[in-house]
Parts: sequence; structure tokens; C-alpha cells
Amino acid sequence: GQQLNQSPQSMFIQEGEDVSMNCTSSSIFNTWLWYKQDPGEGPVLLIALYKAGELTSNGRLTAQFGITRKDSFLNISASIPSDVGIYFCAGQEFGFNKFYFGSGTKLNVKP
Amino acid sequence: GAVVSQHPSRVICKSGTSVKIECRSLDFQATTMFWYRQFPKKSLMLMATSNEGSKATYEQGVEKDKFLINHASLTLSTLTVTSAHPEDSSFYICSARATGGLSYEQYFGPGTRLTVT
Repeated sequence: GQQLNQSPQSMFIQEGEDVSMNCTSSSIFNTWLWYKQDPGEGPVLLIALYKAGELTSNGRLTAQFGITRKDSFLNISASIPSDVGIYFCAGQEFGFNKFYFGSGTKLNVKP
Repeated sequence: GAVVSQHPSRVICKSGTSVKIECRSLDFQATTMFWYRQFPKKSLMLMATSNEGSKATYEQGVEKDKFLINHASLTLSTLTVTSAHPEDSSFYICSARATGGLSYEQYFGPGTRLTVT
């Protein structure tokens, strides 16, 4: 299946710091999604992007759909301990029904 | 709204037996459901797309005779792992997309932890 490159693989930050992670693809996507997964649970959708160049916010989270349609980034501002978890990007190619997931970014926040 | 359940949440079975995992959309109808597999500290790997009333579409490398999918109603899809082996041990997650919903709106279940001894 489709492979998405997500980086960084893991991050250790101090509470209050900002965080940035990104995904790149070899294919052009028409939709990018960002999810958060807590241990032993299914992913929860954070932000959906479906237009090149689009910048969307959800509280302290901001995500952008890259102009080339082959990348996306997620920023978390003023991190708090409950931000801890694994963040996944997911992309959908035009005309296809399914999404492919990135390898995940594990976020650790020290109080 | 948009709740997806999975049953069981955890299952331990012996090698050679078959295990059925259920995925239900509780408050909406789902024409399409997806089955994923997730190894520890790894990403979600799409196994198959399940469409109500028709055969599932499997991803390359996924054995359809090994992982049987049935989507008999608009609220239920099942994944049966046949003749399970220890290497089938994994976290299986389903997602459901509401009938007529936006293509990106898929809601995930809480996952099923399968351990094959």
C-alpha cells in the first residue's frame, strides 16, 4: 500500500513548548487528515484538510495542506501533559475510497 | 453521535483456532467500513475495505482466505481470523464511514487486541 513518511518519529518536550510534525508522500493527495491515538484505543480525528494551501486550526492545533499536495504539517502550540500520545497523518488520493496512514509521531510532554 | 464499537476488546486464542471480531456503528449507518492492523509502536496498516452487501476489497499482501470479512448489514462488519497463528497477534481496528457522509469522515472503533498462543 501507499507509504507516508512522517517525522519526527518521537519528541520529548517541556510543557508550554510548541511542537511541529510533518508528513510527505510520493503521491498527490486530495485530503489530509491528522489523528491522535491514545494507548489501547482507536485514533481520534483532530483536523481534516481538503484544499491545497489550506490552513486550519482546532484550538491549539494548526495544520496545513501543502501547496504541492504531497505534504502536510501539524503544529501544537503551548503543549500540555494531555497532549501526550501518538499523532498520525493520513492521506487520500483522488478517486480512491481509502486512507493511508503515516508512521506516527510519539509525543511526550514533561510537566 | 458517530460511535463505533468493537467486540471483543481483547481475545486470547490458541494457535489453529478461528476468531471473529465485530465492528458496529451504533448510531449511524455505514455502507463502508475499513479494517486496519496495527503492530506495537507502528502505524495503522489498511487490510481491507468492507462494503455492505458486496465482497470486501483487500490490500495487496493481505490473504482474503485468512482474514474473512463479512458486511451483512449497514451497521455491522465482521473480521474472522481463520486458523490463527502467533504472528497474527496484533491490534485490529475498524473504522466506519457514514452512508452519504463526507469521504474523510471515518470513525474509529476502540480496537481489538488479539493474542494467539
